Parts: sequence; structure tokens; C-alpha cells
Amino acid sequence: AQSVSQHNHHVILSEAASLELGCNYSYGGTVNLFWYVQYPGQHLQLLLKYFSGDPLVKGIKGFEAEFIKSKFSFNLRKPSVQWSDTAEYFCAVRPHNTDKLIFGTGTRLQVFP
Amino acid sequence: DVKVTQSSRYLVKRTGEKVFLECVQDMDHENMFWYRQDPGLGLRLIYFSYDVKMKEKGDIPEGYSVSREKKERFSLILESASTNQTSMYLCASSSPSTGLNTEAFFGQGTRLTVV
Repeated sequence: AQSVSQHNHHVILSEAASLELGCNYSYGGTVNLFWYVQYPGQHLQLLLKYFSGDPLVKGIKGFEAEFIKSKFSFNLRKPSVQWSDTAEYFCAVRPHNTDKLIFGTGTRLQVFP
Repeated sequence: DVKVTQSSRYLVKRTGEKVFLECVQDMDHENMFWYRQDPGLGLRLIYFSYDVKMKEKGDIPEGYSVSREKKERFSLILESASTNQTSMYLCASSSPSTGLNTEAFFGQGTRLTVV
């Protein structure tokens, strides 16, 4: 079955530390890839997306992600996190032959001042 | 702005009750989704609808059904609520993947407690 793996369940960082959250998927064909963020008490919002072209995509709030097709990965990065980045982050995959969106289990990020 | 509106933020229901969760979107999206969100399990797809009256089962459809009589509205039905259906329920909508800007937009969620 198609699946999405997020290896880090809970990440704790100090402000200004660098962040990398892992995401791997199991689907072998063409995919669209997404990172969503859920701030405390808020709805899920799109952080960034990859459909085609440059595998390094930039999103809002200084986040970026790199699609590595050979590794079936789409890791999220930010060079310097802020306290306001405290949230839960979800990776999602949409195989091209379907409109279904499949999510990973999420990574809870806590950033301390 | 795209709006996906879920009718209730919080619901408390009794075991065995029939429960309706309603979702409305205002962007004329073809696709609508129901997920449940549980700690450590992420978002799991319950049902997906790609058009009026059309639906597909997701990963965890047991104990749930859905209804899509109008394009803008997608209802999730718990036929006989059980305590293991206590969860946060999220509705989402999107355009078909063949188009542009086809990310999913989410509602605020309904926290359902079954007692």
C-alpha cells in the first residue's frame, strides 16, 4: 500500500538552530508532494509543494524542501528556526493517477527561546 | 480566500447515536475529503469524493459513511458512534490533480467525543 513515513515524531530545538524533517514515500510513480503545517489551535496550512521542475522548492516563512526522486524523499529544511515555528508538520503525497492525498504521521516541533 | 467550513468545532455524543458531521466549501472544488487526526497517527483518510454522488473509501472507512448530494457539501456519517471514534475530524477540498494550484484546503476541524 502507498504510505508516507516521517521519521521524526518529536523534535525539540533552540531558536536559531537548523531544522531538517525527513519524509519518505513508497509510491513508485510520479507524485505531487506537499508539506503542511498546523500551528496550535489552527487549521492545516500549506507550507510548500512540489509538482515538477526544480526539485528544490521554497515555501513560506523561510522553509524549503528538496525532492530526491532516487531516494523517494522530500525533506523539509529551515536554516534558522524561530519560536513561532512551534507547530506540527505533515508531509503528504498525491500519486498522479489519483486525487487522493496521503499524509504521514506528522512531526511535532517545539522551539525554545 | 478559500473557505472550508465545518459545522461544529466541538461535539459530544453518546455511544450508539447516529452522528452527522457537515462540511461546506466555497471554491467549487470537485474533490472533498474526510480525515481523522489522532496523536501519533497523523491524518488518516476515511472517505474521498471526486464528484457529486461519487465516493471512494479511504484507509479507514469502517463505521463511517458519506454523502455528497451537492458539489459544495460533503457529510460524514457515523452510523452508530463508538468510543473509539473519539477524534478530531478534518474536512478538505481540492481541485483535480490535472489542474493548477491543486493543493488541498482544510477546515478548522471538529473534535468529536463519544461517551
